[in-house]
Amino acid sequence: ETGVTQSPTHLIKTRGQQVTLRCSSQSGHNTVSWYQQALGQGPQFIFQYYREEENGRGNFPPRFSGLQFPNYSSELNVNALELDDSALYLCASSQLGQNEKLFFGSGTQLSVL
Amino acid sequence: ELKVEQNPLFLSMQEGKNYTIYCNYSTTSDRLYWYRQDPGKSLESLFVLLSNGAVKQEGRLMASLDTKARLSTLHITAAVHDLSATYFCAVPPMAGNQFYFGTGTSLTVIP
Repeated sequence: ETGVTQSPTHLIKTRGQQVTLRCSSQSGHNTVSWYQQALGQGPQFIFQYYREEENGRGNFPPRFSGLQFPNYSSELNVNALELDDSALYLCASSQLGQNEKLFFGSGTQLSVL
Repeated sequence: ELKVEQNPLFLSMQEGKNYTIYCNYSTTSDRLYWYRQDPGKSLESLFVLLSNGAVKQEGRLMASLDTKARLSTLHITAAVHDLSATYFCAVPPMAGNQFYFGTGTSLTVIP
């Protein structure tokens, strides 16, 4: 059973640029959620994808967008990067309807300069 | 919006001592999850509590859930250095699919 994998592990961008983060979900899971974790804070929900459709969204602006592919892998895209976007971005996979326990990847540390 | 509060935020304790971390949440939920995070690492699932009165134990950690009081506790027994980490509770609302996380409790166990 493969776990949740994310790439890249670290990324440095400048303000105004665009970034794409990638996530492969755990085998057998059909749902992917993305969370943003600022330094010293708990993770905050960005959005969730189920069967390639957005299935819930947190309080993040439209410049945060995502995709889920038929193999359940996912991308998080952030346009017009701002300094406050600097954070650890965590992908979590789960099987909808099975107590929805989240299995997290190791995260992508994004720094915006 | 569901609010999740943990206390204490920081906890320094000696090896061998016992302590409890508290997690309060603001609206109805029937489940609660505890996670551990080591510095620079991802979140590792510790406990899944699925009903009122649920109690789970793993090694020196024991978690409980009181849905009526909207309170969960994570009790540490005879702490050891390896337990040093940040602990988060996470609560999904009754309707909705996002997890609301607490701010975390940073635990340092001193030899």
